[in-house]
Amino acid sequence: SQELEQSPQSLIVQEGKNLTINCTSSKTLYGLYWYKQKYGEGLIFLMMLQKGGEEKSHEKITAKLDEKKQQSSLHITASQPSHAGIYLCGADRTGNQFYFGTGTSLTVIP
Amino acid sequence: GAGVSQSPRYKVAKRGQDVALRCDPISGHVSLFWYQQALGQGPEFLTYFQNEAQLDKSGLPSDRFFAERPEGSVSTLKIQRTQQEDSAVYLCASSLGAGGYTFGSGTRLTVV
Repeated sequence: SQELEQSPQSLIVQEGKNLTINCTSSKTLYGLYWYKQKYGEGLIFLMMLQKGGEEKSHEKITAKLDEKKQQSSLHITASQPSHAGIYLCGADRTGNQFYFGTGTSLTVIP
Repeated sequence: GAGVSQSPRYKVAKRGQDVALRCDPISGHVSLFWYQQALGQGPEFLTYFQNEAQLDKSGLPSDRFFAERPEGSVSTLKIQRTQQEDSAVYLCASSLGAGGYTFGSGTRLTVV
């Protein structure tokens, strides 16, 4: 079973629109990471959140971790075609294993 | 190096052929991970090394998959007698051991 569920599974938006991707855990998160992946390529680190209520921004992307540290959201403002790709949340698991969410595929239509 | 380097970038193998995928982690990174990502899916854990010790290989899908990191730096993932279902992107990541994972660009393996 997936410990990290992402929603939506896929998203198609018009350029310029805002969007939000959610990542929900069945367990308390002690380190939540967001990555972006271009199709068929490696992962690009976006942000890491550790504290409940933490929020970080980079350019037009904002990520938040809720107070209970079981849900994170990634918000993109004024989307551009360059934002297209697969967005993955990930978290540390005890025993030094890292696991990923189910992924969200984003398409931005010019 | 500045990042995690994986080679080759692309590999096409005939079914039944053996392949070896290389991962060069960031210098000094203790932890090294291998992941398999099938088309349209998220990465799935394969195996984990701490220095040269393979501490977890629970994700290796079959005994055709073998990974090593003999000197605690470069790692090789070997797949014997490749099958079509082995076609995927193989990602390597390294870290100092307390988060801060850095991923390589991956090796795309296509078995024909």
